[in-house]
Amino acid sequence: SQQGEEDPQALSIQEGENATMNCSYKTSINNLQWYRQNSGRGLVHLILIRSNEREKHSGRLRVTLDTSKKSSSLLITASRAADTASYFCATDFPPPGTYKYIFGTGTRLKVLA
Amino acid sequence: DGGITQSPKYLFRKEGQNVTLSCEQNLNHDAMYWYRQDPGQGLRLIYYSQIVNDFQKGDIAEGYSVSREKKESFPLTVTSAQKNPTAFYLCASTGPGGRSDTGELFFGEGSRLTVL
Repeated sequence: SQQGEEDPQALSIQEGENATMNCSYKTSINNLQWYRQNSGRGLVHLILIRSNEREKHSGRLRVTLDTSKKSSSLLITASRAADTASYFCATDFPPPGTYKYIFGTGTRLKVLA
Repeated sequence: DGGITQSPKYLFRKEGQNVTLSCEQNLNHDAMYWYRQDPGQGLRLIYYSQIVNDFQKGDIAEGYSVSREKKESFPLTVTSAQKNPTAFYLCASTGPGGRSDTGELFFGEGSRLTVL
């Protein structure tokens, strides 16, 4: 069964706007990661946030983690047409080092030029 | 440059045939994974291996088999017992022992299997 559920399932915005997508999960985690997938391609790692962190930034990306609510959000600021892709969260489980990752259902982002 | 190579990129199979998808990595990663992705869906874990000569079933292992005889290679066989094998298959790997000690997954470009 899938651990994560992203919402919205699809998101369409204008270039320059911010895009926010959310991920909820069911059990306690070691860390949570966000990945990007262009159509028909493999996934590319964007950012990792550990269970003891609350917020992390990388360029135009901002990720938050609320372990009490078992949820995370990914914010892409000043979006570009090239950001059009599907975005997935992935979680791994205790104990650390088991390296078993479960992916969410994904958010399909379309950025209109 | 280091990475993960999946082959073939496209594969067509007749019903009743077994097919094997190749996955090779030169990242010196210990752990390797196979995921299945159906159109518009997320990734579902088929099998994973944390070390050579050992592997575990994921959520949808029925109808699939794997081997891990070498650190660099983790082939996936889709058997005739898999009732609906048409899908996009993704292989991934991660540390420790390689470029990533954070658990970041490195993915191949995928293999698209179509059953005729």
